[in-house]
Amino acid sequence: AAGVIQSPRHLIKEKRETATLKCYPIPRHDTVYWYQQGPGQDPQFLISFYEKMQSDKGSIPDRFSAQQFSDYHSELNMSSLELGDSALYFCASSSGQRNTEAFFGQGTRLTVV
Amino acid sequence: ILNVEQSPQSLHVQEGDSTNFTCSFPSSNFYALHWYRWETAKSPEALFVMTLNGDEKKKGRISATLNTKEGYSYLYIKGSQPEDSATYLCASSGGGADGLTFGKGTHLIIQP
Repeated sequence: AAGVIQSPRHLIKEKRETATLKCYPIPRHDTVYWYQQGPGQDPQFLISFYEKMQSDKGSIPDRFSAQQFSDYHSELNMSSLELGDSALYFCASSSGQRNTEAFFGQGTRLTVV
Repeated sequence: ILNVEQSPQSLHVQEGDSTNFTCSFPSSNFYALHWYRWETAKSPEALFVMTLNGDEKKKGRISATLNTKEGYSYLYIKGSQPEDSATYLCASSGGGADGLTFGKGTHLIIQP
């Protein structure tokens, strides 16, 4: 069965550069969630989208932006990268149907040097 | 937006001890409650989905209960082991919100 696909799996960027992380949800899932997990830290909810509209917002810095496209994939854009942005970024998707669970991707490991 | 609260935020438990923590959610228009186990640097693992008031689910040493009338769920771990160390997330659906609303998680550390 198709799972949540995140790309790239690994990304190395320099400070002040820009990074774009992509998330391809499970087919027919219309809701996407983004999480950040820093080294040794609890996961932090960043933002979520439902039907291409932002539905909830968490600890997402102003330097980050995200959107969900017409094909329901989502991109997390991170600008002016800082060393502290080095983390695992997880994406999850779910159906708008209320009783479905969220499925998580394998994550993108971003390293800022 | 639903407000899903988890407590405590962090918990240190001695190996072999049993423990529990809470997820609270708005009870109006509730539909389902999900528990996830999230180990560091791994994708979260779905533990339970519960929909009915009084539901109790069990998976090995981990079990969960649900009270939809008062809006809370407990997750219990019996005889904690080091491999239980993880962040436990709950998520609720319903209340007019789209999709799932996640709590901030309980970070469980099992000390040998």
